[in-house]
Amino acid sequence: GIQVEQSPPDLILQEGANSTLRCNFSDSVNNLQWFHQNPWGQLINLFYIPSGTKQNGRLSATTVATERYSLLYISSSQTTDSGVYFCAPLRTYKYIFGTGTRLKVLA
Amino acid sequence: EPEVTQTPSHQVTQMGQEVILRCVPISNHLYFYWYRQILGQKVEFLVSFYNNEISEKSEIFDDQFSVERPDGSNFTLKIRSTKLEDSAMYFCASRDRNQEQYFGPGTRLTVT
Repeated sequence: GIQVEQSPPDLILQEGANSTLRCNFSDSVNNLQWFHQNPWGQLINLFYIPSGTKQNGRLSATTVATERYSLLYISSSQTTDSGVYFCAPLRTYKYIFGTGTRLKVLA
Repeated sequence: EPEVTQTPSHQVTQMGQEVILRCVPISNHLYFYWYRQILGQKVEFLVSFYNNEISEKSEIFDDQFSVERPDGSNFTLKIRSTKLEDSAMYFCASRDRNQEQYFGPGTRLTVT
């Protein structure tokens, strides 16, 4: 089946710093979504992005489907950005989740 | 804004007992899903459901699991005889004809 790798696995930032999270996937996909899992375990939809670039406030995402990767950019990080970030390519209408990037933003 | 809801938020049960996890998908959605996340691990697909039948299921979804849409609003996951390794967060998701799925807040199942 499709393999989804995320890097880095762990990331510690000082508040105000910028970061880039990467998601590589091994096969073609129908679509891709980025999620933030907050400390209470809830999965929050960030971006639904099959290709191209989208921006939402301090966050933006880029997917290059032909090269099988997606990037999530976080600018001016805040402590509330802490949590786990998952990318999940969509294949035959089900999400295949990556192993996540655990982000901790320090005040 | 419409959202997926799940009950209970936390369920504790003894090994061998049956549990039913409940979900209310977004009202005009047609496709329903269950995923699970063992603590500290990634989220895994369990089953998809459309038009009152299972569309696809993973290897995890064995005979101990079943899903049902008993009425026009609820979508349930039943585990017949729980095992310790069933302890996990269970997420329900739904979508309309678009591909984007919307996830509920999850039910944390603890099997003792």
